[in-house]
Amino acid sequence: KAGVTQTPRYLIKTRGQQVTLSCSPISGHRSVSWYQQTPGQGLQFLFEYFSETQRNKGNFPGRFSGRQFSNSRSEMNVSTLELGDSALYLCASSLPEQGAVEQYFGPGTRLTVT
Amino acid sequence: GQSLEQPSEVTAVEGAIVQINCTYQTSGFYGLSWYQQHDGGAPTFLSYNALDGLEETGRFSSFLSRSDSYGYLLLQELQMKDSASYFCAVRTSNTGGFKTIFGAGTRLFVKA
Repeated sequence: KAGVTQTPRYLIKTRGQQVTLSCSPISGHRSVSWYQQTPGQGLQFLFEYFSETQRNKGNFPGRFSGRQFSNSRSEMNVSTLELGDSALYLCASSLPEQGAVEQYFGPGTRLTVT
Repeated sequence: GQSLEQPSEVTAVEGAIVQINCTYQTSGFYGLSWYQQHDGGAPTFLSYNALDGLEETGRFSSFLSRSDSYGYLLLQELQMKDSASYFCAVRTSNTGGFKTIFGAGTRLFVKA
């Protein structure tokens, strides 16, 4: 079974631009979560989606948004990029029956904002 | 607020046993998970505790005490390949729904 895939793997953007990141979960997984990882900060929760509905959102500004499609694929968007948005963005999928306890992570998208 | 505390670094010798502690302050506690992440890699799931007690998976064991808001990951027979970052994560459920909060991670160095 294919793992979680994220595209693109690397991205360089300029301050003020916007970016869209994509995540394809493991086949059969309907829950998708997004995290931002920066050195020393661990993984910061962004959002969690299940069946196209956002179940929860972390403490991030409104510039960060996301959505989930009917095939469970998910996208997140960051508008008006700031230097501090440079990070590794990780997506994780899980079976909802497990209450998203065991999450399978993709390789991440490394975003650099200059 | 919600927070998790774990040591930033731990060093141990190959073949030894190491314990990584995690204390948490959350509402709507659902369970505690542990993840391993090697440099340049993605986090991988190690274990999960919803109830008090010890869960064993091979060389790794995880413990939870809900009354103490405390858990730990125990790694036995350490190998060089165990050098990685280890994250505890709390699954919570509240009026806003489910979410998973991660600790800042513990960097484990295994020496020969």
